Amino acid sequence: AQKITQTQPGMFVQEKEAVTLDCTYDTSDPSYGLFWYKQPSSGEMIFLIYQGSYDQQNATEGRYSLNFQKARKSANLVISASQLGDSAMYFCAMREPQTGANNLFFGTGTRLTVIP
Amino acid sequence: DTAVSQTPKYLVTQMGNDKSIKCEQNLGHDTMYWYKQDSKKFLKIMFSYNNKELIINETVPNRFSPKSPDKAHLNLHINSLELGDSAVYFCASSLWGEGPNSYEQYFGPGTRLTVT
Repeated sequence: AQKITQTQPGMFVQEKEAVTLDCTYDTSDPSYGLFWYKQPSSGEMIFLIYQGSYDQQNATEGRYSLNFQKARKSANLVISASQLGDSAMYFCAMREPQTGANNLFFGTGTRLTVIP
Repeated sequence: DTAVSQTPKYLVTQMGNDKSIKCEQNLGHDTMYWYKQDSKKFLKIMFSYNNKELIINETVPNRFSPKSPDKAHLNLHINSLELGDSAVYFCASSLWGEGPNSYEQYFGPGTRLTVT
């Protein structure tokens, strides 16, 4: 079974608007971590934001926030005030300690295009 | 200063050859990883390694082997290259997290391997 599901292959957003990228996950581990990474066309993977399963508050990092709904097993990324430089692939990922490793399991990604 | 570096950035080789990709991190991390990103942009863990153990994804062919001369390096050796090995290979590093503690992974720039 897929551990991380990103149902939006592509998204468009107008510059300066907010956009939500969806991510749902599947785990029986009570202790897990959720990550979002950005991959611009240049190819590098850039860490954006992290949410721990025990964290009481939603994580925020600048214009990025994570809408964490534990009961629904969703960890959506919200980007506020979109900029042209936000155009990229966005990957949601999860770490499950019970696997005995710190490996990240990635979703299939969402390609975000910011329209001027 | 580059945090996680990989060489080479591009690697073109013929089927049947043996090749290596080098990875170095200067972040003082104790855990390193190799991921494979296929043509559809899907990222999959291949190995994770810290000073305690090597954890191998069971789907990785034994033609692939990681070699760690020290904590700052994790090289990837590939024997008898096949067409299906063509992909982008990412090295990453992080601190090892226990239980609910998760740490972000920092990725190298990637190595695009093309097997002809």
